[in-house]
Amino acid sequence: DAGVTQSPTHLIKTRGQQVTLRCSPKSGHDTVSWYQQALGQGPQFIFQYYEEEERQRGNFPDRFSGHQFPNYSSELNVNALLLGDSALYLCASSLGQGVQPQHFGDGTRLSIL
Amino acid sequence: KQEVTQIPAALSVPEGENLVLNCSFTDSAIYNLQWFRQDPGKGLTSLLLIQSSQREQTSGRLNASLDKSSGRSTLYIAASQPGDSATYLCAVIEKTSYDKVIFGPGTSLSVIP
Repeated sequence: DAGVTQSPTHLIKTRGQQVTLRCSPKSGHDTVSWYQQALGQGPQFIFQYYEEEERQRGNFPDRFSGHQFPNYSSELNVNALLLGDSALYLCASSLGQGVQPQHFGDGTRLSIL
Repeated sequence: KQEVTQIPAALSVPEGENLVLNCSFTDSAIYNLQWFRQDPGKGLTSLLLIQSSQREQTSGRLNASLDKSSGRSTLYIAASQPGDSATYLCAVIEKTSYDKVIFGPGTSLSVIP
């Protein structure tokens, strides 16, 4: 039973560039959430996708956007990268609406130079 | 606005000791509280989930309690082992915006052999 998988594992970009991160949810899950975790801090909620639509959004600028595909996989896009975007980006999946527990991937480490 | 705090920020104990990690949240209107473990550079592993109607959950050497009225949760680890060394995060899902998980900053635990 495959868990949540994220790609790539590590990524290095420069300021002003754009990046796309990918997430495949755990088998049977249809909801995907994205989090940003800066070094030494807890994860911060970015947004959640369900039925290919953004359902909830945290306090992040419009430079952060996403997409969910019919197979429930998801992408996180960040435009005009800033040094402060350097972080571990975590994807979590769950089943349906409500308060089901979320399962996390190992994340993508994004470094901005 | 819901805020989650964790005390202590870091903890170092000798192997075999019993220990308690603390988590506090400001708004008691939550659906559930979840404890996670995070190894360096890795994603989150769910340890215990306590529904808002429950008082505690147990799994092996771990016991988590929840006191909604006081906005507190504790994670008790019995007979600590070096393999328990990791960062422990608590998180709540609040009733006002369910599905959005709000994390604390974590407690970094080191168990010395």
